Amino acid sequence: KAGVTQTPRYLIKTRGQQVTLSCSPISGHRSVSWYQQTPGQGLQFLFEYFSETQRNKGNFPGRFSGRQFSNSRSEMNVSTLELGDSALYLCASSLAFSPGQGAGYTFGSGTRLTVV
Amino acid sequence: DQQVKQNSPSLSVQEGRISILNCDYTNSMFDYFLWYKKYPAEGPTFLISISSIKDKNEDGRFTVFLNKSAKHLSLHIVPSQPGDSAVYFCAASDSGGGADGLTFGKGTHLIIQP
Repeated sequence: KAGVTQTPRYLIKTRGQQVTLSCSPISGHRSVSWYQQTPGQGLQFLFEYFSETQRNKGNFPGRFSGRQFSNSRSEMNVSTLELGDSALYLCASSLAFSPGQGAGYTFGSGTRLTVV
Repeated sequence: DQQVKQNSPSLSVQEGRISILNCDYTNSMFDYFLWYKKYPAEGPTFLISISSIKDKNEDGRFTVFLNKSAKHLSLHIVPSQPGDSAVYFCAASDSGGGADGLTFGKGTHLIIQP
């Protein structure tokens, strides 16, 4: 079966711009979570969507937002980009996330965002 | 405040020997722990997990040990193989709260020397 697909793979943006990243989960998976990976902070939880509803949100400013569509595809948006937003953004899908089911996460390969 | 810590950014081990990766946590509400492996340009892949009701879980060459009183877990890989060279992330979750997804450590880069 197809894995988690993230597009684009690489992106270069200028400070102040906004960006939209896309994630297509594994067919049948209804939960999509987003993580930010930076060298200094490791992987940090951004938010999680299940059946088009945001269920959980990490400790990130309001410039970071997301949504999920009826086909479970998800997008995340970052507005007013800052240099510190440069990171690898990872999407993970699962049938239904509960904390004890982290093993059910399948990660995509990520989108590498560079802000200049 | 980092709730999951992997204090060794890198670890070099000879092929065939045992690799031991360590992880400490501070949040006593964490009750489920996972290890993920990550190759460059790929997303993390799940390796092995352990619930707080256990102190050991084994899957082939991989064993995870949990010491709740010390808030410490470790991943043992025996024997180590060249394909094990990757970054390993420890992650934890709180099944009671669940509001923060998984909390990851910063990773340990394991290098298997031939």
